[in-house]
Amino acid sequence: DGGITQSPKYLFRKEGQNVTLSCEQNLNHDAMYWYRQDPGQGLRLIYYSQIVNDFQKGDIAEGYSVSREKKESFPLTVTSAQKNPTAFYLCATQKRGGPPAVDTQYFGPGTRLTVL
Amino acid sequence: GEDVEQSLFLSVREGDSSVINCTYTDSSSTYLYWYKQEPGAGLQLLTYIFSNMDMKQDQRLTVLLNKKDKHLSLRIADTQTGDSAIYFCAESPQRNTPLVFGKGTRLSVIA
Repeated sequence: DGGITQSPKYLFRKEGQNVTLSCEQNLNHDAMYWYRQDPGQGLRLIYYSQIVNDFQKGDIAEGYSVSREKKESFPLTVTSAQKNPTAFYLCATQKRGGPPAVDTQYFGPGTRLTVL
Repeated sequence: GEDVEQSLFLSVREGDSSVINCTYTDSSSTYLYWYKQEPGAGLQLLTYIFSNMDMKQDQRLTVLLNKKDKHLSLRIADTQTGDSAIYFCAESPQRNTPLVFGKGTRLSVIA
């Protein structure tokens, strides 16, 4: 983390409500990512964005939506169509560039979403 | 396809060495990474190794890469209770694309 802010740290919502998770970065990184983490499942990629106003679906995009209107921000909306939204959500950034740049991803502190 | 495999659990005694293993499938991966995740936190980059290297050492951490067998390992010397965490291996199959992560190895250090 450091330069990547996710808020809030804990979020509670009632079933059927949409909820938006915030991710802000001041690292000037071009790419941003959203992952979902469930116990014993590792990280699963939801959506990612390589540049402003463009994003791609990851492995489990159904029930989620994103926007990338600013380089610094990549909010994730968990919609009511997501069947089991309770999980730990991680945002990450990645600096793009030519060699010898390294494709390291840097992670935020995460948001734990609990749907009641 | 891309896949990164790790064992799920490892338990060691305080002061012993820990070795966490990982296998990957994409031989074109340029960099391989190790991340650490403490409870309730995000992932922290521990180290990475370029694919033309066999070994990288950084204080108590030693990374070994066997490119022929597509095998990566992380050795933690003198393991401490503060090393208890989940360790993720990741590969970078292509430039400017998402990293591919393993499911993570939960390291438990017994005092």
